[in-house]
Amino acid sequence: QVQLVQSGAEVKKPGSSVRVSCKASGGTFTNFAISWVRQAPGQGLEWVGGIIPFFRTANNAQKFQGRVSITADETTSTLYMELSSLRSEDTAVYYCARAKEDIYYYGMDVWGQGTSVTVSS
Amino acid sequence: DIEMTQSPLSLSVTPGEPASISCRSSQSLLHSTGYNYLDWYLQKPGQSPQLLIYLGSNRASGVPDRFSGSGSDTDFTLKISRVEAEDVGIYYCMQALRKGTFGQGTKVEIK
Repeated sequence: QVQLVQSGAEVKKPGSSVRVSCKASGGTFTNFAISWVRQAPGQGLEWVGGIIPFFRTANNAQKFQGRVSITADETTSTLYMELSSLRSEDTAVYYCARAKEDIYYYGMDVWGQGTSVTVSS
Repeated sequence: DIEMTQSPLSLSVTPGEPASISCRSSQSLLHSTGYNYLDWYLQKPGQSPQLLIYLGSNRASGVPDRFSGSGSDTDFTLKISRVEAEDVGIYYCMQALRKGTFGQGTKVEIK
């Protein structure tokens, strides 16, 4: 049974960058699309971006265009999300989640435990 | 981007009674395969979200059969035939046809 294990909590200054990792254990992620989803305190879920291994491409919600970079290291079964130019509104719990297939992001049935990112001066 | 709109935003239900949540998309979610790329997720308090329904009407593994998804194109519904105490949480629809977009969420509580 595959599990997604995320890196620990981060506290960052405004204007800096943060990189969150998501390691797949007990299975592979290379045949599945992976999304990054965030949830600000008391708010709903927001799709940030994802990576589609079939095309070896990443894509992001338009809102994060130019600020987010999503990459994958197949040798270590680890995915990364880097968010730059951080502002207070980026304070949230960030989740990685695995979809049911490798081209679309539907059916995310395996989720990481979440990583808290706090942006504060 | 495709926009998703849920209603109602909150719901208070008596145990054993049915519940229904609506989700509308700003564009058709019908793929050329004939499937609607629409999922339903439940986030229980303090937990990561969990998948309930995928491709519009397919129950995920382990999901009780009191949960059902229906609809097509731009209009979708999640129904709980008999609400139980463990069903409390926030329900989200999500389109996955063009990248991903979540609805605002519907908070379900027990009366």
